[in-house]
Amino acid sequence: SQQGEEDPQALSIQEGENATMNCSYKTSINNLQWYRQNSGRGLVHLILIRSNEREKHSGRLRVTLDTSKKSSSLLITASRAADTASYFCATDEAGYGQNFVFGPGTRLSVLP
Amino acid sequence: EAGVAQSPRYKIIEKRQSVAFWCNPISGHATLYWYQQILGQGPKLLIQFQNNGVVDDSQLPKDRFSAERLKGVDSTLKIQPAKLEDSAVYLCASSLVAGSLNTGELFFGEGSRLTVL
Repeated sequence: SQQGEEDPQALSIQEGENATMNCSYKTSINNLQWYRQNSGRGLVHLILIRSNEREKHSGRLRVTLDTSKKSSSLLITASRAADTASYFCATDEAGYGQNFVFGPGTRLSVLP
Repeated sequence: EAGVAQSPRYKIIEKRQSVAFWCNPISGHATLYWYQQILGQGPKLLIQFQNNGVVDDSQLPKDRFSAERLKGVDSTLKIQPAKLEDSAVYLCASSLVAGSLNTGELFFGEGSRLTVL
């Protein structure tokens, strides 16, 4: 089965800077989602982008999707220490029902 | 709205022992998932239920893992006998039934952390 692969594996930035994470996948998808996981907690849904969408915004988050390159990016603007977490992309393979496959994640550290 | 409930939060067992995890999804969510998350990795799907039927259990190690969802609500995941490599966090998630109203969003519980010694 396909799997999203996030890049970079780890990212360390200063508060106020922007953080960009990328996700690549292998086959056609219905949609792609981004989740955040704080240490020792469950995953929290951030944003969903459908295969016919190219860009989506939610607060300080901006997600892009390029289906021709099978890739997505998550941009967090004006980062805060509270954004420190792991970020995962999850893909929903076309024709496969709601079978969400997660990548290994990007560990983001925002330094005060 | 109450979230996905899981218990226990932590469990420590010896190898070859058995363990069971319980999940209560959000009310009205027909789809329920169990994921295994090994430290430093992304969640890996073990099994997906739609109501009380299994949709996908292709990655469930069926020689030692079993799961059920009686009456299409609560679910139990069992491991018997446990191995050292089963040490992980077991995450339960739920979502609405697929359809025009379904955003596709997964709602996760806090997870059950298993340590096998």
